[in-house]
Amino acid sequence: EVQLVESGGGLVQPGGSLRLSCAASGFTFSTYWMHWVRQAPGKGPVWVSHINNNGRTTNYADSVKGRFTISRDNTKNTLYLQMNSLRAEDTAVYYCARDLSVTNWFDSWGQGTLVSVSS
Amino acid sequence: EIVLTQSPATLSLSPGERATLSCRASQSISSYLAWYQQKPGQAPRLLIYDTSNRATGIPARFSGSGSGTDFTLTISSLEPEDFAVYYCQQRRNWPLTFGGGTKVEIK
Repeated sequence: EVQLVESGGGLVQPGGSLRLSCAASGFTFSTYWMHWVRQAPGKGPVWVSHINNNGRTTNYADSVKGRFTISRDNTKNTLYLQMNSLRAEDTAVYYCARDLSVTNWFDSWGQGTLVSVSS
Repeated sequence: EIVLTQSPATLSLSPGERATLSCRASQSISSYLAWYQQKPGQAPRLLIYDTSNRATGIPARFSGSGSGTDFTLTISSLEPEDFAVYYCQQRRNWPLTFGGGTKVEIK
């Protein structure tokens, strides 16, 4: 069974940093593209970032480019999102999502981790 | 950025009725559209990808159609578990974008 478990969320002040992790199991992690998707309270999902299977290709939403960094450790089956210079508008539940076979569709999602940016 | 506009915002129907949800893209996205279902407190679930392909385990009452800029998700006969929010998503261009959602509520 595919499992994605996010961690690392919490309350942080504006300008602060957090690193999210997503532990994957139940599939061969190193062969899948992965994504981060966020969802602010009461709003629709917003794609944040993508990484290919070997970590050499990444993509970002304009709203986080230069502030967030996606990475992965295929030896640990773990996806990361380093978030710097956090803003109030980054407040959301952050989901990691598995890509459906190099398609940019999201076929498995974690339960999400809440990031709150507030003073 | 490709903008996806979903309509209606809310659809009030009874179990057993047919639901028709619309998603319109700001430019042609060929057939590169997916649909997700989200229930309160849960992550979205992939229902349909590439306009009309059902994801693994998705019942046949869910179907998708369309091309270019206009797309439709149809639920042929609503089951109690189908009352939820539905989002469309495109993968034609970066950034990947979602629509604003349609809530299907019990009438």
